[in-house]
This record gives sequence, C-alpha cells and structure tokens, in this order.
Amino acid sequence: AQSVTQPDIHITVSEGASLELRCNYSYGATPYLFWYVQSPGQGLQLLLKYFSGDTLVQGIKGFEAEFKRSQSSFNLRKPSVHWSDAAEYFCAVVGDDKIIFGKGTRLHILP
Amino acid sequence: NAGVTQTPKFQVLKTGQSMTLQCAQDMNHNSMYWYRQDPGMGLRLIYYSASEGTTDKGEVPNGYNVSRLNKREFSLRLESAAPSQTSVYFCASSDGGLAGVETQYFGPGTRLLVL
Repeated sequence: AQSVTQPDIHITVSEGASLELRCNYSYGATPYLFWYVQSPGQGLQLLLKYFSGDTLVQGIKGFEAEFKRSQSSFNLRKPSVHWSDAAEYFCAVVGDDKIIFGKGTRLHILP
Repeated sequence: NAGVTQTPKFQVLKTGQSMTLQCAQDMNHNSMYWYRQDPGMGLRLIYYSASEGTTDKGEVPNGYNVSRLNKREFSLRLESAAPSQTSVYFCASSDGGLAGVETQYFGPGTRLLVL
C-alpha cells in the first residue's frame, strides 16, 4: 500500500526567501504525485502533478516540484515566497486505486 | 460555473442527531468524493462515487452513508452523529476514477461540530 509523509508540520520563511517543502512517498511502482494548497477557510486547489516524463514539474503560482525516484521524494519549491503563499500544503500519492494525502505542512510567512 | 458547492457551511449537532451534507458540481465530472479533515490528520477519504449509481467505501466510512443522486449531486449522511465526527468535510469531483490522474476539484467545506 502506498503512503506519503510530510516531515514538517510547520515551516516559517521570510517574504522573498526561497522555500522547499518536503514530501516522501512509499509505493512499489511509479506513483502519480500531486501537491495541493489550502488557503485558510478554503478547499484544496491543485498546484501541480507528476505522472511521468520530465522529473521537474512546473505548477501554478510559481511553484515547481522535482520527482526523485532514488530518494522517493517529491519536494515542492518556490524561489521567492509572497505573503499570499501562507497556507497549508498537501502532498498526495495515487496508486492501487487509492489517493492518499499527507498530513500537511503549514507555511507561515514573516514580513 | 460555480465548480463544487457544499451546503451547509457550518452546522452544530447534538449527539444522536442526523443530518445530510449536500454537494453539487457543475463540471460534468464522473467521479465525486467525500473527505474529512482533522487537525494533524490531513484528508481522509470517507466515500467516493466513480460514476452515477455507484458508491464505494474509502478509508473511514463507519458512521456515514452516501447517495449519488445524479451525476451532479453526491450527499453524505450522518444517521446518528457522534462527537468523533466533529470535523471539516470536503466534497470533491474529478473527471476520472479514483485511480486516475485527473485533478480533483474541491468545494469550500462544511464545518461540523457535534456536541
């Protein structure tokens, strides 16, 4: 069965700084991987997804993620965060007819 | 195009009461889902419907029932609410099945408090 781990519950960065949110997955085959963002009081919105091919995936709002099979990771990055990026971020993996979400990482932005 | 809508936005119930959470989508999607979100637990799938007329259990189905009324609507019913069902409930839809790679579109959520 697949699983996904987001090791960081909270991350705080200064506005304008770079960001990396970690996601590790467990799945026997090549998984389908997603990053979703949830702004306060809102539902989830897809940032980006990886199915196959190029391991560096570009998403909306300037985010990108890199699939690294050797490390079973799919980390989310942004070169320069904005105050509006403060939200909760969820990594998800699809495999074996299931989608499993990580427990989320809450991003705080310092002015 | 409203996307995925959920009613009500907030609800307070007493233990043992019943209620139905409503969800509708206007994107002509085949698949619909109900999740619950609890602090530190992420999202957990309660039930899903891969197409009109079909429903299947997810990770945490106990205490819930669902109805796929038509292609647009997917309701979640709590027959006898318990405090453990206090949560935020999200409905989602997608154009593919559960194992598919299609994006899921989420509603704004229903906050439920069971006293």
